[in-house]
Amino acid sequence: AQSVTQLDSHVSVSEGTPVLLRCNYSSSYSPSLFWYVQHPNKGLQLLLKYTSAATLVKGINGFEAEFKKSETSFHLTKPSAHMSDAAEYFCVVLNTGNQFYFGTGTSLTVIP
Amino acid sequence: NAGVTQTPKFRVLKTGQSMTLLCAQDMNHEYMYWYRQDPGMGLRLIHYSVGEGTTAKGEVPDGYNVSRLKKQNFLLGLESAAPSQTSVYFCASSYGIPRGGAEAFFGQGTRLTVV
Repeated sequence: AQSVTQLDSHVSVSEGTPVLLRCNYSSSYSPSLFWYVQHPNKGLQLLLKYTSAATLVKGINGFEAEFKKSETSFHLTKPSAHMSDAAEYFCVVLNTGNQFYFGTGTSLTVIP
Repeated sequence: NAGVTQTPKFRVLKTGQSMTLLCAQDMNHEYMYWYRQDPGMGLRLIHYSVGEGTTAKGEVPDGYNVSRLKKQNFLLGLESAAPSQTSVYFCASSYGIPRGGAEAFFGQGTRLTVV
């Protein structure tokens, strides 16, 4: 069975400082992994995806994530936080049955 | 290109009432999904469909039914609403692997309150 654990329910950073949102997955095979972002009262937008190509994945708005099989991790990073990055972030795993399983989310606060 | 469209966007129901949420996608995707989002719990899969005429249960199917009579539409029904079904509901669609793309495209959500 597949599962996703987001290690922090809330992360707070100052504007201009790095962002790190942590995600660990459990899977018996090499999965497809995604990060989605949800701004308040909005739908979900894809930030980036890993589908067994390059392990360092670049996404929109300066975000990137690195797939580390040995650590079963897929952490999301950004070098410099912007006020507009404040949102809820979800790590998602896709299983072989084409079902998407979500982590419980990390709420990112950016302090001016 | 509208993507994934959900109707309605908001609804208030009384306990015991029934309703149907409609999801429509115009991307010719095979896979469609219904999720519910509750605070601190992420999105949980209710039901999904792997193609026209098919449906399957997800993690939290109790109290819900679905139908996919046309490839582009996926309906979620609540036969007798309960306060525990107060939530935000999201529909999504995907090509599915191994065709490629793989990511899910989401609608804007339906905020349902059961009183």
